[in-house]
Amino acid sequence: EPEVTQTPSHQVTQMGQEVILRCVPISNHLYFYWYRQILGQKVEFLVSFYNNEISEKSEIFDDQFSVERPDGSNFTLKIRSTKLEDSAMYFCASSGGFGNQPQHFGDGTRLSIL
Amino acid sequence: GESVGLHLPTLSVQEGDNSIINCAYSNSASDYFIWYKQESGKGPQFIIDIRSNMDKRQGQRVTVLLNKTVKHLSLQIAATQPGDSAVYFCAEKGSGNTGKLIFGQGTTLQVKP
Repeated sequence: EPEVTQTPSHQVTQMGQEVILRCVPISNHLYFYWYRQILGQKVEFLVSFYNNEISEKSEIFDDQFSVERPDGSNFTLKIRSTKLEDSAMYFCASSGGFGNQPQHFGDGTRLSIL
Repeated sequence: GESVGLHLPTLSVQEGDNSIINCAYSNSASDYFIWYKQESGKGPQFIIDIRSNMDKRQGQRVTVLLNKTVKHLSLQIAATQPGDSAVYFCAEKGSGNTGKLIFGQGTTLQVKP
């Protein structure tokens, strides 16, 4: 069964440094998402992306965040200058549409900011 | 505002019993709902979805019920197994056709052997 893959599984970074989280969505999906989950809390929407454009972003997704589809298979989330409060699990998801179609999630990247 | 919530943080059931996990949502205009299962160290795994034009949908050992009158969603798991132990989240499609999902707080299902 096709799946979303994310790398790395764990990223440890000094505060103020830039990080790039990588995702390979399901191959025939065109709609991509990033979510985050702080330990023990619910999953929170960050951004949705289609046709090389952001469709919606949340309040969390401030100017320090950016997304990119650098090629036909990867989807990345960049945090320019990390803060302690960015520590969380970051999940990538993809779907076949924005309508009533399920999003399939990767197993996440645990981001730890020191 | 938009919010989705679950009634109980933890549900403990005996192996072989049926489980019912509940969820309340606030946006009466929501037209699509999903249940996810999250095991420790993993991402949310799609279980079943339902559109607002349906009251009930069945999958393999799972049934989702939607009551739009009281804005309530439930997940029923038949003959619960130890492998069903996980955190279960309901999610609601946000307003606007941008794919945003709004997740509830999650219910931890513990299956006792």
